[in-house]
Amino acid sequence: EVQLLESGGALVQPGGSLRLSCAASGFTFSGYGMCWVRQAPGRGLEWLSSITGTGDNTYYADSGKGRFTISRDNSRNTLYLQMNSLRVEDTALYYCARVRDGSRDCWGQGTLVTVSS
Amino acid sequence: DIVMTQSPDSLAVSLGERVTINCKSSQSVLHSSNNKNYLVWYQQKPGQPPKSLIYWASTRESGVPDRFSGSGSGTDFTLTISSLQAEDVAVYYCQQHHSTPITFGQGTRLEIK
Repeated sequence: EVQLLESGGALVQPGGSLRLSCAASGFTFSGYGMCWVRQAPGRGLEWLSSITGTGDNTYYADSGKGRFTISRDNSRNTLYLQMNSLRVEDTALYYCARVRDGSRDCWGQGTLVTVSS
Repeated sequence: DIVMTQSPDSLAVSLGERVTINCKSSQSVLHSSNNKNYLVWYQQKPGQPPKSLIYWASTRESGVPDRFSGSGSGTDFTLTISSLQAEDVAVYYCQQHHSTPITFGQGTRLEIK
């Protein structure tokens, strides 16, 4: 069974940093691109970043460019999102998702990031 | 950036009735290299992550009931539920992945009348 499990969400002060992790199982992790999508409380979905299966190519939304870094460790079947200089508006549920040709077909349950003083 | 606009923002429909949700992109999401529309429909139920229903604008994901269908090309797309069931109460999103940044519609909230 394909599974994605996010972790690392926490309450952090503005200007702080967090690293989110997404542990993958049930599929050949290195064979798939992965992405991060977030959802602010009561709001819609916002794509943040994607990474190819090898990790050679990464893509970012403007909202995270220069502050967020996506990476992966294929030996550990884990995806990461390093988030620096966090802002109140970064408060959201952060999902990782598998990128399959044509879709994002598998999503984790999300990890909550709260940025507040 | 490609802006995705859904209509309506919300709707209430009786059980067994047909549901139509529209999605319009500010630029074409049809890729000329493979003639595919880079358009996905997701369903998100309360407290759950999104679930992919339809990709390439009209291809149903495995296990998705056949009452769900997608149509359209270029800039105009439609998600149709042929006969609304109680378990279809959710927010529905369209998403384009033709170009980065990948963008979502604002969502359409579907309720039972």
